[in-house]
Formats: sequence, C-alpha cells, structure tokens
Amino acid sequence: GQNIDQPTEMTATEGAIVQINCTYQTSGFNGLFWYQQHAGEAPTFLSYNVLDGLEEKGRFSSFLSRSKGYSYLLLKELQMKDSASYLCAVRTTSGTYKYIFGTGTRLKVLA
Amino acid sequence: NAGVTQTPKFRILKIGQSMTLQCTQDMNHNYMYWYRQDPGMGLKLIYYSVGAGITDKGEVPNGYNVSRSTTEDFPLRLELAAPSQTSVYFCASSYSSGGGSNEQFFGPGTRLTVL
Repeated sequence: GQNIDQPTEMTATEGAIVQINCTYQTSGFNGLFWYQQHAGEAPTFLSYNVLDGLEEKGRFSSFLSRSKGYSYLLLKELQMKDSASYLCAVRTTSGTYKYIFGTGTRLKVLA
Repeated sequence: NAGVTQTPKFRILKIGQSMTLQCTQDMNHNYMYWYRQDPGMGLKLIYYSVGAGITDKGEVPNGYNVSRSTTEDFPLRLELAAPSQTSVYFCASSYSSGGGSNEQFFGPGTRLTVL
C-alpha cells in the first residue's frame, strides 16, 4: 500500500530550529513536496525534492533520501507566524500524476 | 491572475440534498484535483483530471461526480448529501510536463456541513 507518516504535533520556541520528519512508502515516486497550512486556510507550497540531498530556501530547508523513503523539513530562526500545519506529500506517477498526503504535523511556536 | 477560485466558501446541506462545488483556475494548468480534508487530517484525493474531457477517481470517490468540459473549470457534484461528507473541500491545479516542481496551487476551500 501507499503510506506517509509524520508526527502529529511538535512544539518549539521562537528563534529555535525545528526538524519535521516524514517517511513514505509509495510506488512510482516523482517528487516529495512540503506544504504549509495555517488554520482555516489553504495549503501553500514550501519546497520540492526529487533527487537525494538538501534544498535550501531562506529559513526553510528540505532533505530527501529516496533509498530510505525519508525526508525532513528544517525550519530555522522560528517565528510566531510559523505556527501552522506542515504537510508532506509524495507525487506518484503511473501514467498520470497524483499526490499522496500525510496527515500533517501541527507546529506550535511559543514565545 | 486570480489563481484557483472556489465557490461557495461555506454551505450547509440537509441529508439527501445535492449541490455543486465550483472550481476555476486561470493559469492554464492541465491537471486539476479535488480533495477533502477532515479535521486534523491530511488531504484525501476525491477525483482528478489531466485535461478537458478526462477525469479519473482518486482514493475516496464514492458519493461524488466530476466533469471537465473546459481547461479552466472542474466542478464537483454531490448527489445525495450524507453527514459523512461534512468536510472542507479543496480544489487544486498544477501544470505537469514531467520536469520541475510543477507544484499544486490550491483554492481557498469550501466548508461543507451536512445535517
């Protein structure tokens, strides 16, 4: 079957660094995505990995290991506005592109 | 560009009623998707479309129907509303050419309650 696992909830302090892990078992892997979703809002795109390694975008970095079925999202210099859910998603392909989403990690940033 | 727009934003239905959730995108994306998100959960794919005239089922299609007559529009139809369909519905679109991120862009969502 296809499955994506990520922690349900995490708490961190403003200014700190937090790492959100994601493990996946899917077929036809065509990229791993991280989305941010504030309460009551739509998901917005954060990062994309298709090859092994680290992708950095400002305060956010994402890592992928395809052989281990593992990714993480690293958030540095946490700000209060980073309090949100972070969704890990795998794009699969068997002729067409579909996305499998994890249940999301709810991050609370404390002052 | 307006991006992905959805109407209505909120709706309350009685059991057995029907309705259509509208979704429009102005980015000329070929792929469009409908998801539902239950409280504290991730997104579950209901239906998707790879282009006008082509649709396919996702993980949870029962109780829903879709059509795609134009590139821009992808309406979702609920024929006989049931309490289990109470959820937030998101429409998304993306351009898929086989390379690059081609990430999904999401509409603001429709919050549906069936009583």
